[in-house]
Amino acid sequence: DADVTQTPRNRITKTGKRIMLECSQTKGHDRMYWYRQDPGLGLRLIYYSFDVKDINKGEISDGYSVSRQAQAKFSLSLESAIPNQTALYFCATSDLRAGRNNEQFFGPGTRLTVL
Amino acid sequence: QQQVKQSPQSLIVQKGGISIINCAYENTAFDYFPWYQQFPGKGPALLIAIRPDVSEKKEGRFTISFNKSAKQFSLHIMDSQPGDSATYFCAASMLAGTYKYIFGTGTRLKVLA
Repeated sequence: DADVTQTPRNRITKTGKRIMLECSQTKGHDRMYWYRQDPGLGLRLIYYSFDVKDINKGEISDGYSVSRQAQAKFSLSLESAIPNQTALYFCATSDLRAGRNNEQFFGPGTRLTVL
Repeated sequence: QQQVKQSPQSLIVQKGGISIINCAYENTAFDYFPWYQQFPGKGPALLIAIRPDVSEKKEGRFTISFNKSAKQFSLHIMDSQPGDSATYFCAASMLAGTYKYIFGTGTRLKVLA
């Protein structure tokens, strides 16, 4: 979905390095999410933000931090990457005004490999 | 109580057959149950969703069946096509709460031509 973009799309890094994954959206949505996808484990929520001043931990926030720089931008940081953070990372957005239609719109993903 | 259990992990179906994927949940506060479809190299996209006030929802070849008393819901793909080959995720959410999704572990579907 071109409305939600993620950079980089692929990244290989070494243990101990600091990494930032970026997400931008042009959908005008206020809610943004970071997920991690691992084979056999599905999608697990890392952090979510309902507006610029609201940041919340998800199921697996340890080792990660986030920054909501603007309504349209939500970045995920790995302060000191470790191999078990190798995964596919997705950013998603949803619209508070959608109410009962709680659809989340996903970006194309970032494949991160930590050596 | 926050888990959503999905089965099978993988599924192979002949073209024209019926694909069935099942999910079960424990938290009765969940009130929104979407299914997402993910093609290789892409992010998941909403396929179809249901709320617990109905037992079935159909959109084209895709149907969700919902059993509130058993706390189970399933996705049926009728007349499965090779283009349906993808990974499918069920999820559950509470619309009155944080709107967070709890996803199932995914089912990789392959439809043989």
